[in-house]
Formats: sequence, C-alpha cells, structure tokens
Amino acid sequence: AQSVAQPEDQVNVAEGNPLTVKCTYSVSGNPYLFWYVQYPNRGLQFLLKYITGDNLVKGSYGFEAEFNKSQTSFHLKKPSALVSDSALYFCAVRVLSNFGNEKLTFGTGTRLTIIP
Amino acid sequence: NAGVTQTPKFQVLKTGQSMTLQCAQDMNHNSMYWYRQDPGMGLRLIYYSASEGTTDKGEVPNGYNVSRLNKREFSLRLESAAPSQTSVYFCASTSFLGGGIYNEQFFGPGTRLTVL
Repeated sequence: AQSVAQPEDQVNVAEGNPLTVKCTYSVSGNPYLFWYVQYPNRGLQFLLKYITGDNLVKGSYGFEAEFNKSQTSFHLKKPSALVSDSALYFCAVRVLSNFGNEKLTFGTGTRLTIIP
Repeated sequence: NAGVTQTPKFQVLKTGQSMTLQCAQDMNHNSMYWYRQDPGMGLRLIYYSASEGTTDKGEVPNGYNVSRLNKREFSLRLESAAPSQTSVYFCASTSFLGGGIYNEQFFGPGTRLTVL
C-alpha cells in the first residue's frame, strides 16, 4: 500500500535556525509527494509538491523540500525559521484508484514550534 | 472567489441524531473529497467524488453517506451519529490537469463535530 510516515510528532527550532521536518514514503512506481501546512483552527494549505524533475522543490513561504529516491524521503526544509512558521505540517502521497482517480494519503502530522 | 466553503463550522449532536455537512467549491473542480482529522491520526479519507455523478469509498466510509449534488456541491451525511464520529471534518477539491496529473487539493475551513 502507498503510504507516508512522519517520524516526529513534534519539532522545536529556535527562531533564525534552519528547520527540517521529515517524511519518508513507500510507494510502487513514481511517487507524487506533497507538503501541506495547517494553522490553528484552519484548513490545510498547500506548500509544495514533487512530481518529476529537479529533486529540490521550492514552495510557498520560503519552504523547500528535497526528494531523495535512494532514501525514499521527502524532507521539508527552510533556511531560517520564523515564529510564524509554527503550525502542523502534513506530508502526503498521491494514490491512484483502479479507475485512475486521485486520492491523497496523509502522514500523521508534525507539530513545528519555533521558539523566539 | 470563495474557494471551498463548509457549513456549519461547529455542531453538537446527541448519539443517534442525523445531520448533513455541506461543502461547495467555486473553482470549477471535478474532484471533491471528505476527510476527517483526529489527533495523532492525520487526515483520513471518508469518501470522494472523482466527477459529478460518481462517488467512491475512501479509507473510513462506515457510518457515512455522500451526495454529489452537482459539480459545485458535495455533502456528507451521518445517519445515526456515534461518539466515535466526533472529529473535525474537511472538504477538499481539485482539478485534473491532464496527462495523469492533478492540481493540488484545496481545503475548506472545516466543521468541528461533537457527538455526545
């Protein structure tokens, strides 16, 4: 089955330091991977996606993610953390049904806290 | 352009009561989804509709029914609510770009449901 894993429930980073939120995947075939962010009492917002091409994907709010096929990872990164980056982050993988319809399977989420 | 809207924002039900959660999108998207979010479990797909007139079960469909009323609207019904259905429910939509590629999913603000 197609799945993603987020091994850390909580990540704390000092403001101004680089941050990494980890995600590993298990898929058959080529993976389509996504990162979403959820601020308190809000819906999920799309950050970035990897479909094909360059392994370093740039997204919204200065975030980027590195696709690593050999390590089956898609870690989210940012060079310098802001307090406003504090939120819940979800990694997701695209799954196709037998009819070719798209579904997303989400990880369990990582709560990122940036400490002033 | 309101994006994805959901009503109500909050609801409290007693065990055995029924209710319908409403979702609408104004982005002319073909595919719509219902998820539930529970602590430590990420988002789990309940039902989805790849296009108007079609619906399919997701990961956790038991206790729910859906209706794709038209291209814009996708409702989720709880016929006999149970405490295990206490959750935050999110609706999402996306469009098919062609070549096996979908756009990212856009999420509504969520409905917080408590079943006593």
